Amino acid sequence: GQQVMQIPQYQHVQEGEDFTTYCNSSTTLSNIQWYKQRPGGHPVFLIQLVKSGEVKKQKRLTFQFGEAKKNSSLHITATQTTDVGTYFCAGTPYSGGGADGLTFGKGTHLIIQP
Amino acid sequence: DTEVTQTPKHLVMGMTNKKSLKCEQHMGHRAMYWYKQKAKKPPELMFVYSYEKLSINESVPSRFSPECPNSSLLNLHLHALQPEDSALYLCASSLYRTTLDQPQHFGDGTRLSIL
Repeated sequence: GQQVMQIPQYQHVQEGEDFTTYCNSSTTLSNIQWYKQRPGGHPVFLIQLVKSGEVKKQKRLTFQFGEAKKNSSLHITATQTTDVGTYFCAGTPYSGGGADGLTFGKGTHLIIQP
Repeated sequence: DTEVTQTPKHLVMGMTNKKSLKCEQHMGHRAMYWYKQKAKKPPELMFVYSYEKLSINESVPSRFSPECPNSSLLNLHLHALQPEDSALYLCASSLYRTTLDQPQHFGDGTRLSIL
């Protein structure tokens, strides 16, 4: 079945430093979604990427979808303490569309030192 | 605040008990999901319902029994659980579109402990 690999597992940064997490799928994805989960919280949807080579920005967050639609990245510029949490990429193991459950990457736990 | 409501927030039960987890959404979503999440791990898909019909069962043991009474409600019935079933159980919902997967809205989860 589909596997979604995500690195690094943990990332310690000083506040103000940049952060990047990478996601790689064993199969071509119809689309990829990114979620953030704060400690003790639930996953919250951040963004969805659909097109090959797509780049989307949300303030200090930049999301990319690879040309082959098998990898993706999330980059945060100048991290703040509010960025603490676990960032998951997620793809669908089926054809896309309808109601397909998500296959989550293992997540990257972002720890920020003030 | 989440638009997907899960009850109870915490549940402690013995291995012989029967209990149910409940999930409710009023966003008009026609796809609903159950996930299981262990500490420091990603959510793992258990079940998918679309238009109140079970569409995906990810080989979940029969001691977990899902039910979708109507388009707003999703239940997970628990019976004879094992200690390794202790986890956070997340419910999610999404719009149903045949052309593209839709973002999922998660509830706060039920933290389940099996004694």
